[in-house]
Amino acid sequence: DAKTTQPNSMESNEEEPVHLPCNHSTISGTDYIHWYRQLPSQGPEYVIHGLTSNVNNRMASLAIAEDRKSSTLILHRATLRDAAVYYCILSRRIQGAQKLVFGQGTRLTINP
Amino acid sequence: ETGVTQTPRHLVMGMTNKKSLKCEQHLGHNAMYWYKQSAKKPLELMFVYNFKEQTENNSVPSRFSPECPNSSHLFLHLHTLQPEDSALYLCASSQMDLNEKLFFGSGTQLSVL
Repeated sequence: DAKTTQPNSMESNEEEPVHLPCNHSTISGTDYIHWYRQLPSQGPEYVIHGLTSNVNNRMASLAIAEDRKSSTLILHRATLRDAAVYYCILSRRIQGAQKLVFGQGTRLTINP
Repeated sequence: ETGVTQTPRHLVMGMTNKKSLKCEQHLGHNAMYWYKQSAKKPLELMFVYNFKEQTENNSVPSRFSPECPNSSHLFLHLHTLQPEDSALYLCASSQMDLNEKLFFGSGTQLSVL
């Protein structure tokens, strides 16, 4: 399974943008880049995903490098509720289902 | 509320007990998953089901036995567990054949004494 590398932790201030980096140098052409986050005592929550082009949704933006070996999750204006562990995952299909292999993730702390 | 419901939320069992974890999804999905999250370790994929057929068993010990009677329900039957099996067990679902998101339940926190 292709692996991703993320910083163990990051810290930011409320109402400021946050850029969470992820390296995935062994990505294959059919792997999608997914981001999930996990708040304490909850299951992971989907944030965003993409293949080659940058993606935007109401939660965040995903910037994907041209060679696809890295990506950055962008939270445009962090709030205290964005404090969570963020996982960057390469997803591939196995007989139709998604195989997500989680790493350690980045623990994001938001300061008031 | 993600549309994926897991019961019970907490479970304490002895090593000789037999118990079952239940997962139900109300999203019309046809793929379901079991993940295990131990303290200070990444989530580990255990089992994958597509249309009730098991398509992935990630070298899980036989003391964990999954069952998927229909595309809305998933069970994890537990027997003769070890203390190191104590963890958060998470269920998820997705729609097959699309590179779409997984919806996770809140998990069952299992303690094996």
